[in-house]
Amino acid sequence: DAKTTQPNSMESNEEEPVHLPCNHSTISGTDYIHWYRQLPSQGPEYVIHGLTSNVNNRMASLAIAEDRKSSTLILHRATLRDAAVYYCILYWGYGQNFVFGPGTRLSVLP
Amino acid sequence: DSGVTQTPKHLITATGQRVTLRCSPRSGDLSVYWYQQSLDQGLQFLIQYYNGEERAKGNILERFSAQQFPDLHSELNLSSLELGDSALYFCASSPGGSGSTDTQYFGPGTRLTVL
Repeated sequence: DAKTTQPNSMESNEEEPVHLPCNHSTISGTDYIHWYRQLPSQGPEYVIHGLTSNVNNRMASLAIAEDRKSSTLILHRATLRDAAVYYCILYWGYGQNFVFGPGTRLSVLP
Repeated sequence: DSGVTQTPKHLITATGQRVTLRCSPRSGDLSVYWYQQSLDQGLQFLIQYYNGEERAKGNILERFSAQQFPDLHSELNLSSLELGDSALYFCASSPGGSGSTDTQYFGPGTRLTVL
């Protein structure tokens, strides 16, 4: 079972920031926090990952709570192309630990 | 484009039949993963191969088998197909075999329909 909890759906307006939350209260010290997204009719796509410190890349930012029991994926300016299901995954070790939950379906309104 | 290719894109077959799905990983990636995505189960990890060897196993049925060849491409074999096997099957690849920072790159998927 997925070790994360995310809202089922969220809505955002185009060109506004989006904060996608993820709760992972049972996270262990070796778990990395990964975010993937799945655009309609496509395979999942890597977004970002982190361990303890906040992370930035060209796609998004990842803010990790000090106690690591929650994290937030930040899209700085949502575009229509960002409409997707976003998955927060705790991962350590081998493939069987890479568990996708239901994710958050993000809708972006023009 | 992730660099991972999967063939065929679509497959329609009948119950009881056997099919083979093929995956070519990104150049240089040693691991291949297989996932099944159905409407009611979401994305489920099936199996991982690393450099030709099975590395991890998930909820893969005994009717399903996979292998990774010396050129690192992989095949997923599904036999005695049932209606419930209808799903999207994704292949992913990653550079390493384990490790919490290994990024997986997903292919476009094969849509299997069992009639």
